[in-house]
Amino acid sequence: KNEVEQSPQNLTAQEGEFITINCSYSVGISALHWLQQHPGGGIVSLFMLSSGKKKHGRLIATINIQEKHSSLHITASHPRDSAVYICAVKKYGGSQGNLIFGKGTKLSVKP
Amino acid sequence: EPEVTQTPSHQVTQMGQEVILRCVPISNHLYFYWYRQILGQKVEFLVSFYNNEISEKSEIFDDQFSVERPDGSNFTLKIRSTKLEDSAMYFCASSVQGGSGNTIYFGEGSWLTVV
Repeated sequence: KNEVEQSPQNLTAQEGEFITINCSYSVGISALHWLQQHPGGGIVSLFMLSSGKKKHGRLIATINIQEKHSSLHITASHPRDSAVYICAVKKYGGSQGNLIFGKGTKLSVKP
Repeated sequence: EPEVTQTPSHQVTQMGQEVILRCVPISNHLYFYWYRQILGQKVEFLVSFYNNEISEKSEIFDDQFSVERPDGSNFTLKIRSTKLEDSAMYFCASSVQGGSGNTIYFGEGSWLTVV
């Protein structure tokens, strides 16, 4: 069983729609990362969370430590948001970079 | 904005050959990492590096892999004798500090094809 599960695997939306991507994990964590992998393959860090909620522009990330669940929301989605969104967790102990990654959610936003 | 740069962006190599992937982390960062992503699969942690030594490595990071910081700016991943299954995208990353509250900055990746 994967320690980090994301849903949905694939998501198609119309421009302007509100989007939610979910991440559940089964291990104790000290941090959770949301990453964006653009079509060229490069990875950009969007958020790093250990509790609560963070907002950056049209992106909002929340985490519920008790329920072992995090969500990434995109408001007023745009075709340039099309990418793979990856959830990754840092288990307790070990180095910061030792992350366990989800399989990613491929988002396609149609104009 | 400062960024992590990786070279080459794509390399094709014969099975059994040695490959060196290069990375220039962000200049004031102290912690460095390598990850790999086999085509169609999830990203996997390979190794963490701090203060000129490996601080943690995964089961994937076996004796054919090594990392080095040969000077003040470069961070390299060497694969000694490449196998077909080493074909993957390799990502370098860095962070200012090692605590879990720090953002990890990734490079654009180096795509390695072993034939």
